[in-house]
Amino acid sequence: EIVMTQSPATLSVSPGERATLSCRASQTVSSNLAWYQQKPGQAPRLLIYGASTRATGIPARFRGSGSGTEFSLTISSLQSEDFAVYYCQQYNYWLTWTFGQGTKVEIK
Amino acid sequence: EVQLVQSGAEVRRPGESLKISCKGSGYSFNTCWIGWVRQMAGKGLEWMGIIYPGDSATRYSPSFQGQVTMSADKSISTAYLQWSSLRASDSAMYYCARLCHVPAAEYYFDYWGQGTQVFVSS
Repeated sequence: EIVMTQSPATLSVSPGERATLSCRASQTVSSNLAWYQQKPGQAPRLLIYGASTRATGIPARFRGSGSGTEFSLTISSLQSEDFAVYYCQQYNYWLTWTFGQGTKVEIK
Repeated sequence: EVQLVQSGAEVRRPGESLKISCKGSGYSFNTCWIGWVRQMAGKGLEWMGIIYPGDSATRYSPSFQGQVTMSADKSISTAYLQWSSLRASDSAMYYCARLCHVPAAEYYFDYWGQGTQVFVSS
């Protein structure tokens, strides 16, 4: 099983600042990586797929990058609605998908 | 607009059965897989399995094989997740989610239901 490790577990950021979240795979997943945002009491929402392609309706302040085993999600200027938990998911092979444990972005 | 609408919260006792649902709209329900994802309280996301409503083909995560059963009724654009004998450890939020880019080997979940909370306690 490919293990996805996200860091940090919690990120404290002030509104307007940049946030960078990391996701590391235990073996290469090429660019087969997605990012999801989950706000309290809500379902996850797809932000990024293919490591760097924004999903429909996702603001340009969300940028995904990386390939192989190292990935990052950067939120360029945090808005109040961006404080949430973010999960990465690898989907390199059919039926062997795994999620990271999540990074909580909280208000500093 | 693509929507997945799930059935409401459920409270059951250990040993009881349960079937929860996920109704799709705004797209051709038969042509995308529907996945089920578990989220235990305060924890992360775990995919349980997927079903293709077009022919009811199923694929289970090894962690959930034999623990749950997925089914679908394409005539009413609805997928189901059921338990024959619940345990307290089945208490969690369950999400359905669409997996629609399989031919392109893009196995991400692009739309999610709102979740169904299941609580199992004696």
